[in-house]
Amino acid sequence: DAGVTQSPTHLIKTRGQQVTLRCSPKSGHDTVSWYQQALGQGPQFIFQYYEEEERQRGNFPDRFSGHQFPNYSSELNVNALLLGDSALYLCASSPQLFSANTGELFFGEGSRLTVL
Amino acid sequence: DAKTTQPNSMESNEEEPVHLPCNHSTISGTDYIHWYRQLPSQGPEYVIHGLTSNVNNRMASLAIAEDRKSSTLILHRATLRDAAVYYCILRRYGNKLVFGAGTILRVKS
Repeated sequence: DAGVTQSPTHLIKTRGQQVTLRCSPKSGHDTVSWYQQALGQGPQFIFQYYEEEERQRGNFPDRFSGHQFPNYSSELNVNALLLGDSALYLCASSPQLFSANTGELFFGEGSRLTVL
Repeated sequence: DAKTTQPNSMESNEEEPVHLPCNHSTISGTDYIHWYRQLPSQGPEYVIHGLTSNVNNRMASLAIAEDRKSSTLILHRATLRDAAVYYCILRRYGNKLVFGAGTILRVKS
């Protein structure tokens, strides 16, 4: 059973460009969330998708947008890249929405974005 | 978002128990206490969670203070593979986990 898979694993962009990151959730999971992890810090919540809609959002600007497809996979888009967007972007999936007691979020290994 | 406080780093000897503390004095009645860990070059991995009672699973034990203002993650026998950053998180609803800086656990052989 494949876990959460993310692509690409590494990429380099320049300031002002746009980037799309992709995530396939663990089999049987219908909820996907995205996190940004700067070097040396803990992950920060960007947003969560369920039933193809954004359900929760963290403190990130509108340059960060997402999408969830009918097969539950998801994309994270970042426009007008800044140097500060350089980070590890993590995708996490779970089988239920809005339940603190489901226990586990399953994380992928992330996409490492470098903005020059 | 309720905050947690953890020591920056801890060190343990292999095969010995490790107690990782976490303070969460502003916890609300509906907040669950979750622990995740992150091994080098990997995404975070779920360890354990609880609400009020102590919890055990195959990876660890979670001891929760009676007033719920603190908790302790217990690794019964640390191995080199347990070296990671351990995050204590208060989770209220949904998939929004608020990570702090975590505790870097170093395990010596």
